[in-house]
Formats: sequence, C-alpha cells, structure tokens
Amino acid sequence: KAGVTQTPRYLIKTRGQQVTLSCSPISGHRSVSWYQQTPGQGLQFLFEYFSETQRNKGNFPGRFSGRQFSNSRSEMNVSTLELGDSALYLCASSLESSGIYNEQFFGPGTRLTVL
Amino acid sequence: AQKVTQAQTEISVVEKEDVTLDCVYETRDTTYYLFWYKQPPSGELVFLIRRNSFDEQNEISGRYSWNFQKSTSSFNFTITASQVVDSAVYFCALSEAFTGGGNKLTFGTGTQLKVEL
Repeated sequence: KAGVTQTPRYLIKTRGQQVTLSCSPISGHRSVSWYQQTPGQGLQFLFEYFSETQRNKGNFPGRFSGRQFSNSRSEMNVSTLELGDSALYLCASSLESSGIYNEQFFGPGTRLTVL
Repeated sequence: AQKVTQAQTEISVVEKEDVTLDCVYETRDTTYYLFWYKQPPSGELVFLIRRNSFDEQNEISGRYSWNFQKSTSSFNFTITASQVVDSAVYFCALSEAFTGGGNKLTFGTGTQLKVEL
C-alpha cells in the first residue's frame, strides 16, 4: 500500500504570494490532518479534514485554509505569505474508526521557503 | 491543555553507548495515547511506538525500549548500543481526542540525538 504523498516537496515563494500544498492520503483513509513544523514553534496542529469538511482546527490565522475532495485528497492554502510561514508542512492521514485513537501516518512533508 | 516536555534539546553519544531520551507529559484526560516518532534529515516522521494510558508495561523492540510511568507522567525512550544510523530528532507526542471526532497530536520540542563514531 502506498504511503502518504505530498507535493511539491520544496517550494520557494515571496512575501504576499499565496501557495497551495497537496496531500494524497493512504488509500482508504478518510481523515487528513495538517501540521506545521518550524524551528521556533515546533510541530503544531493546523487542521483536520474528514468527509470533505474541516472537522477540527488549531490556532492559526484565517490565512491558513484547506479543503478535502471526495477522494480524500486534501489541499492546504496559505494566502498573503509572511516570512514566518517558512516551515515544513506535514500531512497525516488516518483511518476513521470509533474510539479515541486513530493512528496518523505522516507524509514526507513540503518544505516552504518564503523570501 | 495538553503539554509534552522534552527537556533534552540535544544529546551526543559515542557509538555503542546507551542513551535515554526523556519525555514528560501533562493531560487531564484519563484515556490517552503516547507516541515516539523519529525524524531523520529527510523530514518524514517515522512512527516508533504507541502506548495507551492503561498499559504501563514496558516494551522492548530490538535495541529500543520504552518506560511508561503514569505516577510521574513520563514516557522515556532508551536506545541500547546506539549506532550512527540512530542520529535523528526524536519526538514524543500525546494524542488528544476531539469531542466531535478525530484527534490531534501534541508534540514535544524534540531531542536531537547525534551518535558519533
């Protein structure tokens, strides 16, 4: 079974631009979560999508948004880029099931550099 | 709010030494899961272990072992006879469930492990 894939792997943008990152979950996984990793703030939860709906959200400004398609693929968008948005963006997918825990499988990440 | 503390920012050891990575967590949940992930320079988070709050048995997997103690809210990770390939950043994480479904991981700040020849 193929793992979580993310495209592109590397991206360079300038301040003020917007960017779209893509994530394809493991086949059969319906939940996709996004995390931001920076040297200063570490790994932080951005949001989670399930059944094409944003189900949970972390503490990030509205410039960060996302969506999920019917095939569970997800995109995240960052508008009006700031230097501080430079980070590794990790996507994780999980198989929705009852109970507290759904194991998250991570992709390789997209490294975004904002100049 | 949930919190995970990894007080060791960086550890350097010589190959074949044993090394323990510390993790202390805070949660008000009675049911929770703890994890360790390895992040090599490539960036991908590699899952190492999951432990639920009701299972305090220590676990050993090859050169890796984990010590979970609810009384001290700690979930420490030991690598025996370290190797250069163990060099990476290691993250401890705590799973938090949302009322409406789904869960998120709260990560510690990570410990950079450097194993030298």
